[in-house]
Amino acid sequence: KQEVTQIPAALSVPEGENLVLNCSFTDSAIYNLQWFRQDPGKGLTSLLLIQSSQREQTSGRLNASLDKSSGRSTLYIAASQPGDSATYLCAVWYSGYALNFGKGTSLLVTP
Amino acid sequence: DAGVTQSPTHLIKTRGQHVTLRCSPISGHKSVSWYQQVLGQGPQFIFQYYEKEERGRGNFPDRFSARQFPNYSSELNVNALLLGDSALYLCASSFSAGAGTEAFFGQGTRLTVV
Repeated sequence: KQEVTQIPAALSVPEGENLVLNCSFTDSAIYNLQWFRQDPGKGLTSLLLIQSSQREQTSGRLNASLDKSSGRSTLYIAASQPGDSATYLCAVWYSGYALNFGKGTSLLVTP
Repeated sequence: DAGVTQSPTHLIKTRGQHVTLRCSPISGHKSVSWYQQVLGQGPQFIFQYYEKEERGRGNFPDRFSARQFPNYSSELNVNALLLGDSALYLCASSFSAGAGTEAFFGQGTRLTVV
């Protein structure tokens, strides 16, 4: 059974800081890993998709890395802004037809 | 191009009632999946449909059912509602059913059972 864990559960930083969100998974036999953003009470917005053969993906101020052998992924956010405040979810394609999600990291960026 | 659309956005039902939630995938996407997200948790997989056939089912009771129509839209049905069914129901759209295909989510339907 695939378990996905996200640390920390919550994070508060001042505007402008660079920050790292962590995601770990127990079984390295994944197809890919996807990072999402969720605003309160809203749906999920896809941020980055990393295929199992890739090591990292970048989009703007976001960079995600994947180390399958150690079962870890990190999401790096550069120069954080108040608008980045949201919950960030990590999910892995494991079984072939379903995403396994972590519980998320709730991020607050203060002005 | 429209994203994944779900309706209704909010719904209040009484215990024991039945509910139908609807989802329209991104144009050209043939796979629709349903997830349940309770407060403070990550989404949990309920069903995946591809080309109108069920491809996968999560650990949910038989009160939950779904179907996909020829235009690839989908319905999620829940019978005999329980208080514990209160959650945000999310629909995800993918081009294909294969693992590794990027999933795009709708805004969700917030179901409250009283």
